Amino acid sequence: DAKTTQPPSMDCAEGRAANLPCNHSTISGNEYVYWYRQIHSQGPQYIIHGLKNNETNEMASLIITEDRKSSTLILPHATLRDTAVYYCIVRVVGNAGNMLTFGGGTRLMVKP
Amino acid sequence: DAGVTQSPTHLIKTRGQQVTLRCSPKSGHDTVSWYQQALGQGPQFIFQYYEEEERQRGNFPDRFSGHQFPNYSSELNVNALLLGDSALYLCASSPRNRGRSDEQFFGPGTRLTVL
Repeated sequence: DAKTTQPPSMDCAEGRAANLPCNHSTISGNEYVYWYRQIHSQGPQYIIHGLKNNETNEMASLIITEDRKSSTLILPHATLRDTAVYYCIVRVVGNAGNMLTFGGGTRLMVKP
Repeated sequence: DAGVTQSPTHLIKTRGQQVTLRCSPKSGHDTVSWYQQALGQGPQFIFQYYEEEERQRGNFPDRFSGHQFPNYSSELNVNALLLGDSALYLCASSPRNRGRSDEQFFGPGTRLTVL
């Protein structure tokens, strides 16, 4: 699986959009971009994933650049409960195993 | 619908001892993966079980072993505990349907402290 690079930490004001970047310049054509988050003392939680088109669900939006070398996770109206470590992962879907390779992630602090 | 459950929540052991951690997957899921998360780091993949067999393994020594039962629940065993085994151990489950999102559901973890 391709390696990802994320800023170690970010701050965001409550109610504002949080934009979390991820670089994955060595991504292969069959690798998807996944985002998970981990709130303190809990297990990671799936947020969203995509291949090349932008994706949106009830939690967030995922914007993937046309060359697929980077992406941005957008939390449109961040709340204090969105304070967590956010992990960007690239991997092939549906291969023999579906292990996740976590990096260091971005620690997002949402402030009042 | 219960999610992924793990037991115990916390555990304290001494060096050289053995420990068994347990995981029940989310209803409808048949694949279980185990991860180790040291303090301040991202989770690291240990191994994955499907159809009661180990299917994938990360870079962990043989002291780490596992088992999956016919009801899809799983155990993680660690022998000859070292201080460095102190970590949060996470279990994740997923359905084995190819072509789906492969979204994994994580349990709350077991916090193991080795003294």
